[in-house]
Formats: sequence, structure tokens, C-alpha cells
Amino acid sequence: AQTVTQSQPEMSVQEAETVTLSCTYDTSENNYYLFWYKQPPSRQMILVIRQEAYKQQNATENRFSVNFQKAAKSFSLKISDSQLGDTAMYFCAWSPSGTYKYIFGTGTRLKVLA
Amino acid sequence: KAGVTQTPRYLIKTRGQQVTLSCSPISGHRSVSWYQQTPGQGLQFLFEYFSETQRNKGNFPGRFSGRQFSNSRSEMNVSTLELGDSALYLCASIQDRGNNEQFFGPGTRLTVL
Repeated sequence: AQTVTQSQPEMSVQEAETVTLSCTYDTSENNYYLFWYKQPPSRQMILVIRQEAYKQQNATENRFSVNFQKAAKSFSLKISDSQLGDTAMYFCAWSPSGTYKYIFGTGTRLKVLA
Repeated sequence: KAGVTQTPRYLIKTRGQQVTLSCSPISGHRSVSWYQQTPGQGLQFLFEYFSETQRNKGNFPGRFSGRQFSNSRSEMNVSTLELGDSALYLCASIQDRGNNEQFFGPGTRLTVL
């Protein structure tokens, strides 16, 4: 069965610094997507970044970037220049191509400190 | 474009009752998926609908059901409520462009007493 593991339940980072959130997954499939979603205290889930498994280049969205290691089944999120508004739960999700079913990790609660 | 709308936002029911939650996807999106979020189990996939047809289903008992209407609005129903059904129920709207991206609504917080 496919699983997604986020081994860091909580993390904190000083404002303007860089933090990396870890995610590993287990699958035998070759074509899939990986996502990082952010859920602020208001509860609305927001897409942070997306990675297609067939792309070797790591995805980047402004201050957010990923380190995608397909062979190691690892998908970490790096947040640069952390801002107070980055405080949220971050969920890693895996989805096989051809379906819209997401398998989520248990989440990492990130707190950005002033 | 308006985002995903879920109604009601909060709901309190008692054990044994049934409940219906509603989700209106982003205009033009034809697929909708549902997730249950609890502190203990995290986010779990319930089901996904496309053009009024259920395409995928998660591992939930038959008390959990859903449907989708011709205007893409979706409802999920939980019958014979149990205490463990207390959760945040999230609906996601899917653009169906093949990139698997989902846009989540604010959720319905269900409390079962």
C-alpha cells in the first residue's frame, strides 16, 4: 500500500531563516505527482508546490523549492526567507497519475518565530 | 472565479442521526473529491466524482456515501452517525487537466455528540 511519511511533527524557524520539511513515500508506481499543501489556522488548504515524478528538475515557486529524489522516494520542502505568514500545518501528498486520489502524510506543524 | 464553497461550515449532530454536506466546485471544474480530517487519522480520502460518476472510493464503511449532480455540485451523506465521525470534512475541486492539482474548500466541521 502507498504511504506518505512526514517524520517531523513540529518545527520552528526564525523569521528570515531557511527551513526544510521532510517527506518520504512508498510506492511501486512510476507515474505520479507529489504535492506540498499548507493549512493555516483558518483551515483552508492551499497548494504550495507540485512536482511531476517524470520531471528530474526540482520544482520552485518563489521562496519555496523542493528536493525530489525519486530513487530514494524523498520529497523535501525548503522554505527560504521564512515569514510569519508561513506559520501553518504543511502536508505532503502523493497522487498516482490517472486518479485524483491523494495520500497525505500526517503533517508538520511549522511555527515561524519573530 | 469564486472558490470552492462548502455548506454548512459547522454542524452538530447526535449519534444515530444522519447528515448531508454540500460542496460547490470552482466554475468549470467537473471533478470533486472528499476527505475526512481528524487529529488521530489525519487526512483520509473518501471518494471522488466526475460527471456524476464515482471514480474512486476510499476505505470507509457504507454509511458514507456521496453523489454529484449535473451542475458538478456534490453532496456527501453519513448515516447512523458515530462519535468517531466527528471531523473536518474537506471537499476539493479538480481542474481535470491531468496535473492532479486539487483546490480545497474551507471544510465542514461536524461534531457528533
